[in-house]
Amino acid sequence: GQQVMQIPQYQHVQEGEDFTTYCNSSTTLSNIQWYKQRPGGHPVFLIQLVKSGEVKKQKRLTFQFGEAKKNSSLHITATQTTDVGTYFCAPPGTSYGKLTFGQGTILTVHP
Amino acid sequence: SAVISQKPSRDICQRGTSLTIQCQVDSQVTMMFWYRQQPGQSLTLIATANQGSEATYESGFVIDKFPISRPNLTFSTLTVSNMSPEDSSIYLCSVGNPGQGAGSAKNIQYFGAGTRLSVL
Repeated sequence: GQQVMQIPQYQHVQEGEDFTTYCNSSTTLSNIQWYKQRPGGHPVFLIQLVKSGEVKKQKRLTFQFGEAKKNSSLHITATQTTDVGTYFCAPPGTSYGKLTFGQGTILTVHP
Repeated sequence: SAVISQKPSRDICQRGTSLTIQCQVDSQVTMMFWYRQQPGQSLTLIATANQGSEATYESGFVIDKFPISRPNLTFSTLTVSNMSPEDSSIYLCSVGNPGQGAGSAKNIQYFGAGTRLSVL
């Protein structure tokens, strides 16, 4: 599969602060997905990025795909307690339909 | 999207026994996957459940330990056999239709709620 390094592993922020998680690959990715997993929950699809340099926004969340398609980021503006959870990037896996999940960034938001 | 029912939601089992986890989808799906996730860790793919043929296992996982069934396009089971405490984990099924959808809808996976397994 297309292995990625996701950083940071943990992030603690005060409510209202911004948050960013990064996903880096040594190889070019055809696309990348992002998932969110709430504590005790299951991963939920957020978005898929396909194009070089693509930027997509979902309310306070901004997703970017690098120009070289080797890195991606998720930025949350003015975090809220509802943003708590683990954020995973997921490029394609070893064969059709599969995904490879990054290590995940665990976000804690202090009120 | 797809609605996935996974059960049991949790179980406590004795070592040496087996547990079968069920995953039911509300629509026909091309691909079904089984993952294992340790608390605080990422997801590790166990196998891809193929309808009408044997499952395809990832490195480190074998059919004797994790037999999988996929009798139709809406249902799959994963059995954790001859359990030991090291098998204690969260097991998740997911489904996908990678050939369908347009743009951002392609290759999305939808997950069941997971099964929390503790082996004593």
